Amino acid sequence: EVQLVQSGGGLVQPGGSLRLSCAASGFNFSPYWMQWVRQAPGKGLEWVANIKEDGREQRYVDSVKGRFTISRDNAKNSLYLQMNRLRVEDTAVYYCVRDNDKVMEGNTYDAYDIWGQGTAVTVSS
Amino acid sequence: AIQMTQSPSSLSASVGDRVTITCRASQGIRNDLGWYQQKPGKAPKVLIYAASSLESGVPSRFSGSGSGTDFTLTISSLQPEDIATYYCLQDYSYPRTFGQGTKVEIK
Repeated sequence: EVQLVQSGGGLVQPGGSLRLSCAASGFNFSPYWMQWVRQAPGKGLEWVANIKEDGREQRYVDSVKGRFTISRDNAKNSLYLQMNRLRVEDTAVYYCVRDNDKVMEGNTYDAYDIWGQGTAVTVSS
Repeated sequence: AIQMTQSPSSLSASVGDRVTITCRASQGIRNDLGWYQQKPGKAPKVLIYAASSLESGVPSRFSGSGSGTDFTLTISSLQPEDIATYYCLQDYSYPRTFGQGTKVEIK
């Protein structure tokens, strides 16, 4: 079965750190860009970061730049999100997401086709 | 960052109705847009990519259109299982940005 299984969420105080993990199974992990997307309680979706297939390129939303680091280990079929200097506003369910790029007429389009089950991160004193 | 504005924020329609959701980008994004469906308590699911291409396995009652700044998701005949919140997502530039969501309910 093609799936992403997440771990590592929990309760942390403001200023603290957490590391989220995402284990891929049922597919060849290394050819895919991967992302993290989050959803604050009762709110909409927010794209957080992504990482290229070989791990050499990462992009972040401005609100997490300098605090969060996305990484991957293709040998372990795993994606990570190291979150430092956490803020109350980082409280959310975090999803690990596969981007199954679609190539059409020379252009590439995102298609987030496999999502993890989500892991809750609560930042509170 | 490109802002994506959806309308309406919620709607109520009857089974069998045609439903239309609109997404407007704050600048031109060609056809670099996807639509996602999220049912309560579940992870989102991709419906449409490249503004109008249907993802494999998605029912044909879902369709997308538009380019530039204005996009539309249409459900041709609303079914009970379509109750969900729908999001657009631009993949034209970084950071990727979602619309705020449209909650669809059955009347």
